[in-house]
Amino acid sequence: DVVMTQTPVSLSVSLGNQASISCRSSQSLLHSDGNTYLSWYLQKPGQSPQLLIYLASNRFSGVSNRFSGSGSGTDFTLKISRVEPEDLGVYYCFQHTHLPYTFGAGTKLELK
Amino acid sequence: QVQLKESGPGLVQPSQTLSLTCTVSGFSLTSYNVHWVRQPPGKGLEWMGRMRYNGDTSYNSALKSRLSISRDTSKNQVFLKMNSLQTDDTGTYYCTRYSGTYYFDYWGQGVMVTVSS
Repeated sequence: DVVMTQTPVSLSVSLGNQASISCRSSQSLLHSDGNTYLSWYLQKPGQSPQLLIYLASNRFSGVSNRFSGSGSGTDFTLKISRVEPEDLGVYYCFQHTHLPYTFGAGTKLELK
Repeated sequence: QVQLKESGPGLVQPSQTLSLTCTVSGFSLTSYNVHWVRQPPGKGLEWMGRMRYNGDTSYNSALKSRLSISRDTSKNQVFLKMNSLQTDDTGTYYCTRYSGTYYFDYWGQGVMVTVSS
């Protein structure tokens, strides 16, 4: 199974500053069809997860342009510029290139 | 509009079987894949398995021996059955729709399941 390693486990950020989360996979997530099936989700307290980024770097409709995804192969990054209070929660990367699909362990974004 | 709603018993005894239902509306199970994801209290998300639009299924390696996902397209329902439950199966269970453009776009609210005697 593909192991998704997310770092850091928790991140303390001041409002208005940038946050960066890393996600590394134990195998390349480049599919034979040319797509890289890596998504980022945010789970706010008491809520279901919500999609932020898909195919590694595509922002989902309605998601603030302060969120950006990058990376390829086995190394991926989610950046949040100018952190706002509504960005707080737990961020997960998720690979759906290789079955069985797998989530990262999550990164908790907190206010400093 | 698109909706997914999980239902099932809130409490299951150890060694018993968990049966959950995901009732969907606003889309057809013969056009979209539906996945199950669970989350132990205070912990991360775990992909459990999926029902594809064509009826095929795939499972988490660690759960494969005791997990079964099925559906009734006439009732717009996807079912999860997992046997030999233990206390570490306690958590919130979600069903979610996988869109044709490669992401989970809609989630149910989740159903909390406690495994306890």
